[in-house]
Amino acid sequence: QKEVEQDPGPLSVPEGAIVSLNCTYSNSAFQYFMWYRQYSRKGPELLMYTYSSGNKEDGRFTAQVDKSSKYISLFIRDSQPSDSATYLCAMRKGSNYKLTFGKGTLLTVNP
Amino acid sequence: GAVVSQHPSWVICKSGTSVKIECRSLDFQATTMFWYRQFPKQSLMLMATSNEGSKATYEQGVEKDKFLINHASLTLSTLTVTSAHPEDSSFYICSARDHDSDTKNIQYFGAGTRLSVL
Repeated sequence: QKEVEQDPGPLSVPEGAIVSLNCTYSNSAFQYFMWYRQYSRKGPELLMYTYSSGNKEDGRFTAQVDKSSKYISLFIRDSQPSDSATYLCAMRKGSNYKLTFGKGTLLTVNP
Repeated sequence: GAVVSQHPSWVICKSGTSVKIECRSLDFQATTMFWYRQFPKQSLMLMATSNEGSKATYEQGVEKDKFLINHASLTLSTLTVTSAHPEDSSFYICSARDHDSDTKNIQYFGAGTRLSVL
């Protein structure tokens, strides 16, 4: 079993839809959770960074962490064509700064 | 926001030559930088952790003599792919951890370097 599981999609939605992206993990040592957005042939861009369980909101993006279920989510409201990209979840343990990434979910928002 | 510059963005080289990729933190100091490799439609795989002023730490299965890492200053790390072969063709991405205590948990990524070995 991989440490981090993420459905690679692809996921296609109409403009304005609410998008839900998810990752599960198996190692309870993970304490910090991130969502990155990666456009084709570009480096990942940090969207959300969370530490504790609960919700964190930033504009149209909401990150949710449930440590008891080892499950994290990213919600995108009012999705736009410019949101079309690959979304990567990432997490790290408290003991070092190495990140473990999910496989990424390819999202397409259709005008 | 923190900016990481990676150069070159794309390089094509002949088999057997060496290629150097630079990673610079432009507006912050980075005691730690990371080098990743990404194959098409795959996630990022950590190759090595680069610490300023000391030897890099390589992940299991990564040849340290083939992928030379130098982190000579708080703003620059380089990855040299020595004697490159077609199987080394990939997308290489660096990231830098902000030295500042307020944001030191966050890694900022460069734009990546596409290496094509003929």
